[in-house]
Amino acid sequence: DGGITQSPKYLFRKEGQNVTLSCEQNLNHDAMYWYRQDPGQGLRLIYYSQIVNDFQKGDIAEGYSVSREKKESFPLTVTSAQKNPTAFYLCASSFQGFNYGYTFGSGTRLTVV
Amino acid sequence: GIQVEQSPPDLILQEGANSTLRCNFSDSVNNLQWFHQNPWGQLINLFYIPSGTKQNGRLSATTVATERYSLLYISSSQTTDSGVYFCAVLGGGADGLTFGKGTHLIIQP
Repeated sequence: DGGITQSPKYLFRKEGQNVTLSCEQNLNHDAMYWYRQDPGQGLRLIYYSQIVNDFQKGDIAEGYSVSREKKESFPLTVTSAQKNPTAFYLCASSFQGFNYGYTFGSGTRLTVV
Repeated sequence: GIQVEQSPPDLILQEGANSTLRCNFSDSVNNLQWFHQNPWGQLINLFYIPSGTKQNGRLSATTVATERYSLLYISSSQTTDSGVYFCAVLGGGADGLTFGKGTHLIIQP
């Protein structure tokens, strides 16, 4: 079955560490997105990519980095520069253009210890 | 950027009741979607509905683009309908959906 897979489901980070969250899709979607969700809040856009080897900052990109070397993969690195990284991270994908729905992965819950 | 407001923020209903969730947005949109987030955090796409009306089983949605609002109707609620319902829009010039803060729905048996 086609879908979008995020791993790991839970991740613990020590202060000062970089961690990378994985997002893989086999839906043949062109565009991929990373969102952050804090408790009781909506989702906020971190980064997005419309095509391979190209990506753009969203509303809250500071302290995060991404790469898009393959159409199927869009990993997110949470760097030590992100001062408040504890959150629920969701990856999504869609066909390129305005007229398509988004498919979301099941999320990664990141906690700083 | 575009603003999205959802109401009510919280809603508690008995099983079998009907409900209407509202989404207001501040500018014209190219894309509007409704999602359901279950207690485990999974977001499920319910409707892609930038205008008009759609129905899927007990759920239906209507978007009046000229008046900048959308409504999600849930009929004959079941406990499995509990969770958070999000409205998200894509405005002109934006490259990712902007989400409202959601409506937290609790269906009691």
